[in-house]
Amino acid sequence: EPEVTQTPSHQVTQMGQEVILRCVPISNHLYFYWYRQILGQKVEFLVSFYNNEISEKSEIFDDQFSVERPDGSNFTLKIRSTKLEDSAMYFCASRTLSKGIIYGYTFGSGTRLTVV
Amino acid sequence: GIQVEQSPPDLILQEGANSTLRCNFSDSVNNLQWFHQNPWGQLINLFYIPSGTKQNGRLSATTVATERYSLLYISSSQTTDSGVYFCARSEKLVFGKGTKLTVNP
Repeated sequence: EPEVTQTPSHQVTQMGQEVILRCVPISNHLYFYWYRQILGQKVEFLVSFYNNEISEKSEIFDDQFSVERPDGSNFTLKIRSTKLEDSAMYFCASRTLSKGIIYGYTFGSGTRLTVV
Repeated sequence: GIQVEQSPPDLILQEGANSTLRCNFSDSVNNLQWFHQNPWGQLINLFYIPSGTKQNGRLSATTVATERYSLLYISSSQTTDSGVYFCARSEKLVFGKGTKLTVNP
């Protein structure tokens, strides 16, 4: 079964450093997403991406965050200057629409980001 | 905004027991998924079920969109079913707080 792949699985970074979280969505999917889950809390929507641009973003997704699909296969989330409160599990997801049928989301295994 | 409420928040079962998890939602947007988050934090897609009933092995799910709820049935539970079960609703997936399931041997 096709998978969404995320790397790294765990990243530790110092406060103020930039991090890039990487995702390889399923190849024929068209819609891409980032979600995050602070330990013990709900999974929260960050941003959706379609046709090489952001289609929607949440209040969490401020100027410190950016997304990119640099080469047609990777989908990255960049945090420019990490804060302690950015520590969370970050999930990438993708889905597709084909012949009028919307398919469900497929999530990656997540990247656990720890900011120290 | 869209509200998604799950019940119960915690559930403890003996291996072999059956259970029903419930998800109530405040809107009628046509999208609902159930996920299992295992102890390693991975989100596993169980069902994409905007309406009707689906079954996959010991799990089944039913969504009654007109009454704004969905149910997840787990039969003959196993210890590997432990974890947190989330339902999520709407095009950008608004998650509930989850049901934490513990299955004891």
